[in-house]
This record gives sequence, structure tokens and C-alpha cells, in this order.
Amino acid sequence: EVQMAESGGGLVQPGGSLRLSCAASGFTFSAYYMGWVRQAPGKGLEWVSVISNSGSNTYNADPVKGRFTISRDNSKNTLYLQMNSLRAEDTAVYYCAKYLRHFDCWGQGALVTVSS
Amino acid sequence: DIVMTQTPLSSPVTLGQPASISCRSSQSLGHSDGNTYLSWLQQRPGQPPRLLIYNISNRFSGVPDRFSGSGAGTDFTLKISRVEAEDVGVYYCMQGTQFPITFGQGTRLEIK
Repeated sequence: EVQMAESGGGLVQPGGSLRLSCAASGFTFSAYYMGWVRQAPGKGLEWVSVISNSGSNTYNADPVKGRFTISRDNSKNTLYLQMNSLRAEDTAVYYCAKYLRHFDCWGQGALVTVSS
Repeated sequence: DIVMTQTPLSSPVTLGQPASISCRSSQSLGHSDGNTYLSWLQQRPGQPPRLLIYNISNRFSGVPDRFSGSGAGTDFTLKISRVEAEDVGVYYCMQGTQFPITFGQGTRLEIK
């Protein structure tokens, strides 16, 4: 069974940093692109980042460019999102998902709250 | 950026009756590889999103056949042949044809 489990969320002050992890299982992790999608409280879905299967190519949404970095460790079947210079508007549940030009398997999400 | 526009934003339906949601993209979603990367997701209350349909009309594993997708170019439709109570939630269309990936605003399906 394909599973994703996000971790690393929490409360952080504006300007602070946080790293999310996503542990994947049930499929050949190194064969697939992976991505992050977020959802602010009571709002819709917003794409954040995608990384190629090898990790050599990354794609980021404009609101997070220069602040967030997506990476992966295929030896550990784990996806990461390093978030720096966090702002109040980054407050959201962050989901990781397998990407094949659609997001087909989603984790339960990790809540990130940016507040002083 | 490709803008995805869903209608309606809210859809009250009677159990057992059909429902339909439209999604329009600001430009064609046809890719140079011949595919059209339009997908539909369902988000039940308090749950993460779940993929229903990909590449316009392909049902994902485990999705009941009362869900179907259709369309081409810039106009797409998700249909539920007979709504059940478990279908309550918000439905999103999404395009993966080009970056940035974009979602529709969401359509809330509720029971009358």
C-alpha cells in the first residue's frame, strides 16, 4: 500500500525556518517525481514545489521562490521541504504527494503555523 | 499562468440524483506529448485530497464508476451519476500540463 507520512510541522515565528519531511513507502520512491501542496485554513489547494525522481530538477511556485527548497533522499525514501524566511501567509497544512502530472497519493498533511 | 475556473462554487444535490461540475482553463491543456493533464480531486471534510480522475477521464484505482470525467482543450466536466452521502466535500480540478501547476477554486458538494 502506498503511504506518505509528513512530519516536522509546528509553530514558528515570522522570519523563522522549518523543515518538513515526508516518509514514503509502498512504491519505488526513486522512480517518481514528488511534490508539495499546501492549504491555508479554510482555503483551497495551492501548489508549492515539485522535484524530479533523481532530484536534479526542481520547480517552485512564485510565492515561495528563494525561500523554500525541495529535496529528496532516495536512499531513505524521504522528501523534504526546507522553509526559510517564513511569513504569516505561509500558514497552512502542507501535503506531500506522488506526482505524475497529477497528484495521486497524498499524505495526511503537516500543519505549519507562522505567528508571533 | 493557466487559470482554472470552476462552476458552480456550491452544488446542493439530492441523494441518488446526478451532479455535474465544470472546469474551464484559460488556455488549452493539450501537451506536446499528446496528453491532456487535467485531473479531479475530492476532499472530504477533515481529510486530505484524494485523486478521482486523471488525464481528463481515467478513473484512479478504487474510485467508484459513478464518477466520470470528460472534455477537451479548455472545457472539462466531472459527473457523478448518482450522488451518495459519502460524496459530500469539495471537488477541485487541477492542470499539470505546465508549471506553475494550478487548481480550480473548488466546488462544494452538499446534500439538499
